[in-house]
Amino acid sequence: GAGVSQSPSNKVTEKGKDVELRCDPISGHTALYWYRQSLGQGLEFLIYFQGNSAPDKSGLPSDRFSAERTGGSVSTLTIQRTQQEDSAVYLCASSPDRVVTDTQYFGPGTRLTVL
Amino acid sequence: AQTVTQSQPEMSVQEAETVTLSCTYDTSESDYYLFWYKQPPSRQMILVIRQEAYKQQNATENRFSVNFQKAAKSFSLKISDSQLGDAAMYFCAYRSLITGTASKLTFGTGTRLQVTL
Repeated sequence: GAGVSQSPSNKVTEKGKDVELRCDPISGHTALYWYRQSLGQGLEFLIYFQGNSAPDKSGLPSDRFSAERTGGSVSTLTIQRTQQEDSAVYLCASSPDRVVTDTQYFGPGTRLTVL
Repeated sequence: AQTVTQSQPEMSVQEAETVTLSCTYDTSESDYYLFWYKQPPSRQMILVIRQEAYKQQNATENRFSVNFQKAAKSFSLKISDSQLGDAAMYFCAYRSLITGTASKLTFGTGTRLQVTL
């Protein structure tokens, strides 16, 4: 079946603008994660959704970042008043999470460039 | 908090040869999972191999195998018979099994592997 998809593939924006990044997880996967990959860095956890439970927002770097997941499927990561340090690749992953050891499947990411 | 360290920013291997990528981690937990992910230029992270900490036997997937040394907190990846398609960034990752810590992966900073003819 289809894998995790993300849109847009690339986004260029001006400092101070708001952006929305979209993630479509694999159908039936109850867990969804957002990670950020800055240039030359590993992936940094941002937020985790599991079913109808309250999301784990412990990785969000500031209150300019927020995410929602509608209907237990599609998720949107919103960055308000973007700053140049927000430039990075934003990766989404989903997992069946039937058990805690389920593999996370990643999308191709959105490359965000803030000018 | 757990940390994952990859001390080799770049590695190079000739086609058909063997290369080992290093990874160390720090944790106070006794049970956890370790992973190696591959990220080609397409950016999509692909799971290469995973190891359950409670298993003493090293995981193997075709040409990929790990050397898991739990006491030393070391988790290296060996790629045998390297192919041009193996060229990518490789990330080592840790996952806690403790309920409530989220199921997030903690990643190292990656090793860029070049494969030469």
